[in-house]
Formats: sequence, structure tokens, C-alpha cells
Amino acid sequence: GAVVSQHPSRVICKSGTSVKIECRSLDFQATTMFWYRQFPKQSLMLMATSNEGSKATYEQGVEKDKFLINHASLTLSTLTVTSAHPEDSSFYICSVPRQGQRFEQYFGPGTRLTVT
Amino acid sequence: GENVEQHPSTLSVQEGDSAVIKCTYSDSASNYFPWYKQELGKRPQLIIDIRSNVGEKKDQRIAVTLNKTAKHFSLHITETQPEDSAVYFCAASRASGTYKYIFGTGTRLKVLA
Repeated sequence: GAVVSQHPSRVICKSGTSVKIECRSLDFQATTMFWYRQFPKQSLMLMATSNEGSKATYEQGVEKDKFLINHASLTLSTLTVTSAHPEDSSFYICSVPRQGQRFEQYFGPGTRLTVT
Repeated sequence: GENVEQHPSTLSVQEGDSAVIKCTYSDSASNYFPWYKQELGKRPQLIIDIRSNVGEKKDQRIAVTLNKTAKHFSLHITETQPEDSAVYFCAASRASGTYKYIFGTGTRLKVLA
């Protein structure tokens, strides 16, 4: 069964509004989760590392004030896209390192964000 | 910065033939190399991985080879089937510290029946 869930699976929002995406680790606790963005026909680009109990670590070029990450608990990380614009439309995927073998990652099913 | 190059970007093969996808990484500290298969609109699925202490790993029709000196690794799929059609991504990671993945650019494999 699924190890990682994401909610919502699809969301359409108007330009200027904010959208929150949830990533849940279903089978085990995770002190670290990763957030990726994937544009159509492109690769997965790591946006940030979500850390339980501390601030997220953002990759170069990712605006931390625009993409707010909160590791709310050991099983939940949220990504909030603030003041969304059409260019933020993308597939957002989270992943969770496997417990005990952290170099393996389980991916969530992804969230398709469309900003109109 | 860290980079993973992947070739080819698209690959068409006849059913039953073999397919080979190649990746080159830049971070010499990388020591874990997974391969993912992604179907349209779905999550990436791990199909095989290799750690740097081995040169080759095989799982039925799928194999991965690693050349640490040259910093490249390859995915080999034999006896391809139409259901192998998908986008394949390689990745490189240090199995320590942040454990973050650097993904290749992807290969769209089409198996022709």
C-alpha cells in the first residue's frame, strides 16, 4: 500500500491566492521530507528539505518566502505556495526517506497545481 | 554545482529489443544511484538501485552498471515490452548528510509493438 500520501491531488486556484499542499508519511515517522517540483516533460527539481523541529533548507533559486514549508509533526509536512501566479503551475511531489535506510526515498502521488 | 546528465532524451525500440540509458554525475561523493520509472501524472517508482560498492546489479530484465572512475552509470532493459514505455529518471545521492537526490533530465522510452 501507499507509504506517502499527498493532499490535494489536484487544485486550481486564482492568481494571487495561496495554496497549501500536505504530505503525510503513513507508515513511519520522518524527521526529514523532501519537496520537488516537476514541470511538464521535465525532470524533478528539488525545492527544499523539510526538517522537523527546525527551518526548511531551500535549494538555490527557490524563494523561501513564496514556498513556505512547515514540518508540523513527525508524519506531516506542508508546502504553501503564497501569492500564486500562473508560472507556479506545476506538479509538486514530496518524498520521505525510508526508515533505517535513509538513502532510499518513497515518493508521494503528487499534487497538480493550476493557477489561472 | 552538482549535476546529473542523462542520455538519450527519447528512445524508441522494437518490442523484444534491449534499451540502454546512460547517466553521468559530477559529485564524486555520490554513492547511491537509483533509477525511477514514471508514468504520465503518476509518482516515480523505484525500479532498481545500486550503491557504489558494487559495479553491477541485476533484477530479472533490468540491470544497472556503475563505473565510479568515469562517474557514469547505465540502465539496461532486456526483452522490452510495451508496458516498459514510460519516462525513466536516474538520480545520484550521497548516502549520508542530507540524502538529497539530484535527478537526471529523463528519458522517454517508447516500446513499439
